Amino acid sequence: DAGITQSPRYKITETGRQVTLMCHQTWSHSYMFWYRQDLGHGLRLIYYSAAADITDKGEVPDGYVVSRSKTENFPLTLESATRSQTSVYFCASSGSYVAGGGVNEQFFGPGTRLTVL
Amino acid sequence: AQSVAQPEDQVNVAEGNPLTVKCTYSVSGNPYLFWYVQYPNRGLQFLLKYITGDNLVKGSYGFEAEFNKSQTSFHLKKPSALVSDSALYFCAVRPIPMEYGNKLVFGAGTILRVKS
Repeated sequence: DAGITQSPRYKITETGRQVTLMCHQTWSHSYMFWYRQDLGHGLRLIYYSAAADITDKGEVPDGYVVSRSKTENFPLTLESATRSQTSVYFCASSGSYVAGGGVNEQFFGPGTRLTVL
Repeated sequence: AQSVAQPEDQVNVAEGNPLTVKCTYSVSGNPYLFWYVQYPNRGLQFLLKYITGDNLVKGSYGFEAEFNKSQTSFHLKKPSALVSDSALYFCAVRPIPMEYGNKLVFGAGTILRVKS
């Protein structure tokens, strides 16, 4: 299916476990992003990637690791999950070029609801 | 620092009445501005964006937004609200220049409730 997908949609894990959230997009977009959504905070950027093998930290990167070996995939790993990482995680992607200038909007996946017990 | 403020946690409006969801921003230079909508248990959907040019931008589902540089605002509007417009709305800004990449800074969101 075309678009941007995330898996799993729901995940319950325990403190200290490693968890990987998957994100896949079929548009060959250059940019990909990971956000977390928490009540009262809106969306906060965790990590982003401008292209394959190019990643950078966002606003709240601590405790997370990303990789991007292929343009279409951008997995997010919680190396040792903590209760404070209980959240809804959204992946997004956007293109890098707009004819005549401007900027592309981001397209969001359906989200992964993660609960850390 | 780049920031976006949505001063109202919730906006209530009667069906058929005009609605406004407020957004103000603080960035260096001229910004690119966006509005997104989120329905329950869904990802964010793009509504509209301001890049340059006409200060009134039209978007999806009959929404429009007015860019006001002097007031650093980008309020979302709709002439006649529908019950189906009830959702969570996010304002976002992408600062210029390109050293910021394609990142967005989001506001905290405003819940819109339209009552029949």
